[in-house]
Amino acid sequence: EAQVTQNPRYLITVTGKKLTVTCSQNMNHEYMSWYRQDPGLGLRQIYYSMNVEVTDKGDVPEGYKVSRKEKRNFPLILESPSPNQTSLYFCASTQGAGFSGGDGYTFGSGTRLTVV
Amino acid sequence: KNQVEQSPQSLIILEGKNCTLQCNYTVSPFSNLRWYKQDTGRGPVSLTIMTFSENTKSNGRYTATLDADTKQSSLHITASQLSDSASYICVVPGGSYKLSFGAGTTVTVRA
Repeated sequence: EAQVTQNPRYLITVTGKKLTVTCSQNMNHEYMSWYRQDPGLGLRQIYYSMNVEVTDKGDVPEGYKVSRKEKRNFPLILESPSPNQTSLYFCASTQGAGFSGGDGYTFGSGTRLTVV
Repeated sequence: KNQVEQSPQSLIILEGKNCTLQCNYTVSPFSNLRWYKQDTGRGPVSLTIMTFSENTKSNGRYTATLDADTKQSSLHITASQLSDSASYICVVPGGSYKLSFGAGTTVTVRA
């Protein structure tokens, strides 16, 4: 089954303790992206990657890091989490990075992160 | 700045009734517009993708319309079911591999 898999689904951590949220897709998609979703704000892009070793900042990159060493994996790293990073996080991928065509955008099931 | 605005923010309808959600966008250049359905705590799932030349597109009981001149789209839900309770998000790709997301409309269908 074609899918984007995120882990973990739920995570509670303490301020300052480094964490990684994993994201893996099995569709051989070139483009992957991370979003955070907060009530009333919609989805906001954190980082995206157009291909292996090619990443760039989205709209809210502060406090986050990413890497793209393999095509299928795109982990999100919080080096020193803070309470304002408490949010619902989604990873997504698509083949058509230009979004100009009919390519769908597949989202993972989400990771609910709480930083106390 | 590319923006996508949705209305209403939320609505409640009785099972079996119809409803229409609105999306206004200022994204440029425009190539397509997408509607997603997001169940609580889950990832968004694509309902429709409409390109510049399409005015109407249906997916079962969901019908999307697009007016590229006025930069407006609507999503019409016919004969609503309890399973339609979700957030509906309008998404418009912008330049530089970016997507502009609306804040979503939360639909609650009551029996």
